[in-house]
Amino acid sequence: GAGVSQSPSNKVTEKGKDVELRCDPISGHTALYWYRQSLGQGLEFLIYFQGNSAPDKSGLPSDRFSAERTGGSVSTLTIQRTQQEDSAVYLCASSPYLDSFEAFFGQGTRLTVV
Amino acid sequence: AQSVAQPEDQVNVAEGNPLTVKCTYSVSGNPYLFWYVQYPNRGLQFLLKYITGDNLVKGSYGFEAEFNKSQTSFHLKKPSALVSDSALYFCAVRPDTGRRALTFGSGTRLQVQP
Repeated sequence: GAGVSQSPSNKVTEKGKDVELRCDPISGHTALYWYRQSLGQGLEFLIYFQGNSAPDKSGLPSDRFSAERTGGSVSTLTIQRTQQEDSAVYLCASSPYLDSFEAFFGQGTRLTVV
Repeated sequence: AQSVAQPEDQVNVAEGNPLTVKCTYSVSGNPYLFWYVQYPNRGLQFLLKYITGDNLVKGSYGFEAEFNKSQTSFHLKKPSALVSDSALYFCAVRPDTGRRALTFGSGTRLQVQP
């Protein structure tokens, strides 16, 4: 597609349930990033992938969060046993390579934990 | 660790007047600096970047920013504001080496009044 695509655009889930958020980066982009944007907050880095290298997971807030990237393209962010504080907009971005200076963002998935 | 400060939650300016959105940063090594804009119900869009060279960088939609190393600032400016510039603006930084993910400020809401 023309841009970074994220699905679903909105997700409401019950506390304690697991959720999966999907990101389709721009074709050919080797670097992929996940960020979280909480209400009134800036963007919080979660994880990034670069090609076949080990991902940088240093921003994941707890072991309930995990992400994978299959075939160097699509990525899935999984949150297990969701908590209300996980409610946020989850943004995915991609760039042509890790040292490319411009990241292209998707429109995000708004997660609400009730 | 790197950080970004955007001291103003909101900036109000009349249409046709110049605008400035402030940003200061902290990073080890040389900074790569960015401005992104977020319109309502839309993803983040890249505006401009400073990597090296001329301290005054020009970007999309008539925006520009000035890198000031001694003041560790990267303020966003536009000579004549438009109502359509009203949006949420994020400053971001990453170091030239080490972790490649961007660190974002908390954002500044720009409101341009007609």
